[in-house]
Amino acid sequence: QVQLQESGPGLVKPSETLSLTCTVSGDSIRSYYWSWIRQPPGKGLEWIGYIHYSGSANYNPSLKSRVTISVDTSKNQFSLKLSSVTAADTAVYYCARLRGYDILTGYLFDYWGQGTLVTVSS
Amino acid sequence: DIQMTQSPSSLSASVGDRVTITCRASQSISNYLNWYQQKPGKAPKLLIYAASSLQGGVPSRFSGSGSGTDFTLTISSLQPEDFATYYCQQSYSTPFTFGGGTKVEIK
Repeated sequence: QVQLQESGPGLVKPSETLSLTCTVSGDSIRSYYWSWIRQPPGKGLEWIGYIHYSGSANYNPSLKSRVTISVDTSKNQFSLKLSSVTAADTAVYYCARLRGYDILTGYLFDYWGQGTLVTVSS
Repeated sequence: DIQMTQSPSSLSASVGDRVTITCRASQSISNYLNWYQQKPGKAPKLLIYAASSLQGGVPSRFSGSGSGTDFTLTISSLQPEDFATYYCQQSYSTPFTFGGGTKVEIK
């Protein structure tokens, strides 16, 4: 059974960098793509970006200047860094497996972590 | 970016009711449309992918249809465990985008 678990600080100060790690079990991180998605309290879902084990990444343009997603194949983990955070970055952050289901552009998020709330406040 | 618009934003229904949720894309996305269910405090759960394909383990009362810009999620007979928020998501192009959600509440 594939499981994902987010970890990292629950409180980050404004202007600092938010750092989270997702540990994958039950699957090799060398399979598929791996993604971060966030959800501000009481609001909808926003895709942040994804990474392949090769290091190839794709980011949401709305966050691209501040986001870095990296992968550590030796630990079966991938990580998110979001710099220069503000209160608007307060959200539940989810990691998820991104699986392609056709040869063109069909992708889906089939396994998700439980999510971790990150609050940006001084 | 492709904008995804869901309607209604919320609805009230009774157990046993047939429920339909609509999702509209700002441009054609073929059938690259997924549906997720989210319960309070939980991660979203994949229900439908490729507009109409049922994810393994999802009850057959859930179905999806549509292509191009207009899509629907139907619950044929609403069960108590179906009260949740439902999101559509397009994978036609990045950035992947989600609809604003439809909250299904108990009448």
